[in-house]
Amino acid sequence: EDQVTQSPEALRLQEGESSSLNCSYTVSGLRGLFWYRQDPGKGPEFLFTLYSAGEEKEKERLKATLTKKESFLHITAPKPEDSATYLCAVQAAGYSTLTFGKGTMLLVSP
Amino acid sequence: GAVVSQHPSWVICKSGTSVKIECRSLDFQATTMFWYRQFPKQSLMLMATSNEGSKATYEQGVEKDKFLINHASLTLSTLTVTSAHPEDSSFYICSVEQEQETQYFGPGTRLLVL
Repeated sequence: EDQVTQSPEALRLQEGESSSLNCSYTVSGLRGLFWYRQDPGKGPEFLFTLYSAGEEKEKERLKATLTKKESFLHITAPKPEDSATYLCAVQAAGYSTLTFGKGTMLLVSP
Repeated sequence: GAVVSQHPSWVICKSGTSVKIECRSLDFQATTMFWYRQFPKQSLMLMATSNEGSKATYEQGVEKDKFLINHASLTLSTLTVTSAHPEDSSFYICSVEQEQETQYFGPGTRLLVL
């Protein structure tokens, strides 16, 4: 059974204080690992897809990396508008469905 | 990515009634859509995979007779919660699959059953 564990559950940062979110996963053959951002009362917003170990992707202050067992979402010099819940999901080879972690709730204070 | 809408954005109903939620793919013809449920402070749980022109595939533990899914066209899938009860109160979100299996999500529908 595919499993995704995200840590920490919640993270509070000061504006400009860089940090990383962790996503550990077990899957029977990884097709893709996905990062989403979810604001309260909204649907998830797509951020990145990573397909193989060593791959990195960047978007503004966010950078996602992937190893064979985990993925990190690095947030550089965060701003209050980066406050949200960040969700990680895996897709197994041969399947279209996603298995989600519980997310990391990020709060960035000015 | 794909633009997805849901209607209604929130609904309140009495216990025992049925509620229909629509999911539309606005700029993409989606042969596959997904329905998720999210309880407070929990992650998204896949309920079913909706395939255009065929029966939906339900996840283990999801009652197919209670959660009716119809994917009648390439731009519309509906989820009907039949004989709703308070425990069905949740946030229901749909998604469409595009671009190498990336899923794009709708804004969600908040259901409250009294």
